Amino acid sequence: NAGVTQTPKFRILKIGQSMTLQCAQDMNHNYMYWYRQDPGMGLKLIYYSVGAGITDKGEVPNGYNVSRSTTEDFPLRLELAAPSQTSVYFCASSGNRVGQFFGPGTRLTVL
Amino acid sequence: DQQVKQNSPSLSVQEGRISILNCDYTNSMFDYFLWYKKYPAEGPTFLISISSIKDKNEDGRFTVFLNKSAKHLSLHIVPSQPGDSAVYFCAANQGGGADGLTFGKGTHLIIQP
Repeated sequence: NAGVTQTPKFRILKIGQSMTLQCAQDMNHNYMYWYRQDPGMGLKLIYYSVGAGITDKGEVPNGYNVSRSTTEDFPLRLELAAPSQTSVYFCASSGNRVGQFFGPGTRLTVL
Repeated sequence: DQQVKQNSPSLSVQEGRISILNCDYTNSMFDYFLWYKKYPAEGPTFLISISSIKDKNEDGRFTVFLNKSAKHLSLHIVPSQPGDSAVYFCAANQGGGADGLTFGKGTHLIIQP
């Protein structure tokens, strides 16, 4: 099993550009999450999904959109990138409350 | 307003000794607590968890203690090993887990040889 995979690993965007961060899991987990981690801070929840077709906002959803058309994939869309979105983005999945499995992260810089 | 607080940004411990990482929380609705370990350029890895109905959970060298009245939990690592050098995040969850975790800022543990 690959677990949770994220692409790309790194990306530099110009202000106003858009991009999609990809996330896939092969563990057949219902729950998937997007977090961002700013330097010296903990992870903050952006969006989550409890199953295909169902998504909901987390603590910091502004500037982002998500979709969940399959159990495996949970892409995060950034529209009109801003410097405040410079961060490391982690995708995670969970089958139960024991713990979430995290991907390796995408480091995004907006200049 | 931080609901999960890790007040020590870093901690240095000698190899073979005990490492104690602390975490405080303010939200009394939290009923499940987790510790994650993170190496640079990697995602967090689940380490150990505890439900609010327990006050201790042990897994090998790792033990988590929960004091609900003080809204405090701690992670003990005995004995500490060089591979334990990492950032440790405390996280909490309420009512079923589906709506994600609330994380502390992390503590950077450094194991000295």
